[in-house]
Amino acid sequence: GDSVTQMEGPVTLSEEAFLTINCTYTATGYPSLFWYVQYPGEGLQLLLKATKADDKGSNKGFEATYRKETTSFHLEKGSVQVSDSAVYFCALTATYGQNFVFGPGTRLSVLP
Amino acid sequence: EAQVTQNPRYLITVTGKKLTVTCSQNMNHEYMSWYRQDPGLGLRQIYYSMNVEVTDKGDVPEGYKVSRKEKRNFPLILESPSPNQTSLYFCASSLGLNSPLHFGNGTRLTVT
Repeated sequence: GDSVTQMEGPVTLSEEAFLTINCTYTATGYPSLFWYVQYPGEGLQLLLKATKADDKGSNKGFEATYRKETTSFHLEKGSVQVSDSAVYFCALTATYGQNFVFGPGTRLSVLP
Repeated sequence: EAQVTQNPRYLITVTGKKLTVTCSQNMNHEYMSWYRQDPGLGLRQIYYSMNVEVTDKGDVPEGYKVSRKEKRNFPLILESPSPNQTSLYFCASSLGLNSPLHFGNGTRLTVT
């Protein structure tokens, strides 16, 4: 079945460092891809999305490009802030029906 | 304001005492879903519903029931809770195919 793999972390960075969180997927057909963020004590929020190959999703300085050839959707940010500390989830809409598949989440801690 | 509302936020109960966690969305979304989040296990889907009166099992449905009598509501029922159902639960909804999920703020359940 469809699945998502992402680096589990935790990832610890200093403020203003470059961030990459890797995400790869397995799916038949052409899923849409998403990154969600969960701040402490809150539900998940959509960070960005891409619906077809070569699309780039971006929001709040974060970017991810839908790479069909490598089945990847890596999350990047050029300069992280302390306020970016959270858990990040990669997800896709499964090929069958409208169901969602989530990766295990990556905890990011940014130190001042 | 568009939102998914779960109640209660926190619940402590004893083994075997039936409980219901409510979920309501005001966005006229067709798709709704329940997840549980446990340390080291990420998000696991319990049940989902693609429309009124249509529900399907997710990855971990045992011990749970749901109903979808109205479009806006999707309650999660634990007929006889057990300690292994202690978890953080999230309800989510979506407009449909390839549309992002909107999450509630979560219900932290403790079963003693």
